[in-house]
Amino acid sequence: RKEVEQDPGPFNVPEGATVAFNCTYSNSASQSFFWYRQDCRKEPKLLMSVYSSGNEDGRFTAQLNRASQYISLLIRDSKLSDSATYLCAVNTDKLIFGTGTRLQVFP
Amino acid sequence: GAVVSQHPSWVICKSGTSVKIECRSLDFQATTMFWYRQFPKQSLMLMATSNEGSKATYEQGVEKDKFLINHASLTLSTLTVTSAHPEDSSFYICSARDPSESYNEQFFGPGTRLTVL
Repeated sequence: RKEVEQDPGPFNVPEGATVAFNCTYSNSASQSFFWYRQDCRKEPKLLMSVYSSGNEDGRFTAQLNRASQYISLLIRDSKLSDSATYLCAVNTDKLIFGTGTRLQVFP
Repeated sequence: GAVVSQHPSWVICKSGTSVKIECRSLDFQATTMFWYRQFPKQSLMLMATSNEGSKATYEQGVEKDKFLINHASLTLSTLTVTSAHPEDSSFYICSARDPSESYNEQFFGPGTRLTVL
């Protein structure tokens, strides 16, 4: 079993749609959790840290469920510019990435 | 967030040559940096953890004699791909933790695209 698993997608959604990504992790000792955004042929950029209480940043909401060992990312009112690959990452003593979920927002 | 630079951004070399990639933290001191590799349509795979002033810690399956890591200062880590072969062609990305950030966020350099002919 992979340490961090994501649905690779792609998710094709129209502008304005709400889309949710999930990510599961296997190490219960994981300490911190993140969502990164990666555009084609670019480095990952930190989108959000994910806290136990959940957190929101504009159209983006991240949730953490430690009991079930998954994190989620919700994007509301999708924009064309949201098209990218979204990577979840889980940290113990090192940061482990999921395979990424490709999102394509169409007009 | 913190700024990490990487140089060069791309390199093309002949098989058998060695290539050095630099990773710098620009506005903070990083005792620990990380080197990742990403093949097309795959995720980032951690290669090694670079520790300032001590030996790097390599992940299973990564040859330490082929991928030499040096972290001689708090703002610079280098990765040297020795005797590069076409299968080493990949996107190499470094990252660093800002010790002032309490949640252990990592910030990434822009990556180096290596093509070995």
